[in-house]
Amino acid sequence: EIVLTQSPATLSLSPGERATLSCRASQSVSSYLAWYQQKPGQAPRLLIYDASNRATGIPARFSGSGSGTDFTLTISSLEPEDFAVYYCQQRSNWPPEITFGQGTRLEIK
Amino acid sequence: QVQLVQSGAEVKKPGASVKVSCKASGYTFTSYGISWVRQAPGQGLEWMGWISAYNGNTNYAQKLQGRVTMTTDTSTSTAYMELRSLRSDDTAVYYCARAEIMITFGGVASPGYMDVWGKGTTVTVSS
Repeated sequence: EIVLTQSPATLSLSPGERATLSCRASQSVSSYLAWYQQKPGQAPRLLIYDASNRATGIPARFSGSGSGTDFTLTISSLEPEDFAVYYCQQRSNWPPEITFGQGTRLEIK
Repeated sequence: QVQLVQSGAEVKKPGASVKVSCKASGYTFTSYGISWVRQAPGQGLEWMGWISAYNGNTNYAQKLQGRVTMTTDTSTSTAYMELRSLRSDDTAVYYCARAEIMITFGGVASPGYMDVWGKGTTVTVSS
């Protein structure tokens, strides 16, 4: 099973600042990586798929990069509604499976 | 609009089974799969498995093999997830999510990313 490790566990920033979240895979996942945002009491929301493609309706301040084993989610200028937990997720074709990282909590400083 | 509506909260005793439903609307049900994801209180996301609504093929997380069954009813555009032999650590919010069907060069289908989610069903296992 591919293990995803996210860092940091918690990130404390202020609105307007730039956020950089990392996700490292235990083996190459090519570009088969997504990022999700989850707010308390809500279902996750797909932000980025295939490492760098924004999902429908996602603001341009969210961007993703990376390939192989190292990936980054960047939020260029934090809005108040961006404070949430972020998960990375990989998908593999064989065996067909999905795994999530443990999450990064983005909190207001 | 595209949406997934899940069944209501459940309380079960250890050893019992639970079956959660997920009714899809706003898209062609058989053109996608449904993944199931759970989240224990205060914890992260755990993928449980998926089912292709196109042909009913399933893949389950190894940890849950033998205890979980995912099915679909294409006549009602509804997916189901049954979990048996419940334990206290199965207490969680269970989500269904729409997943694109990805076909590899070998013709194997695998789950794509999850772009539409249900609101979740709380399952509590307690004696």
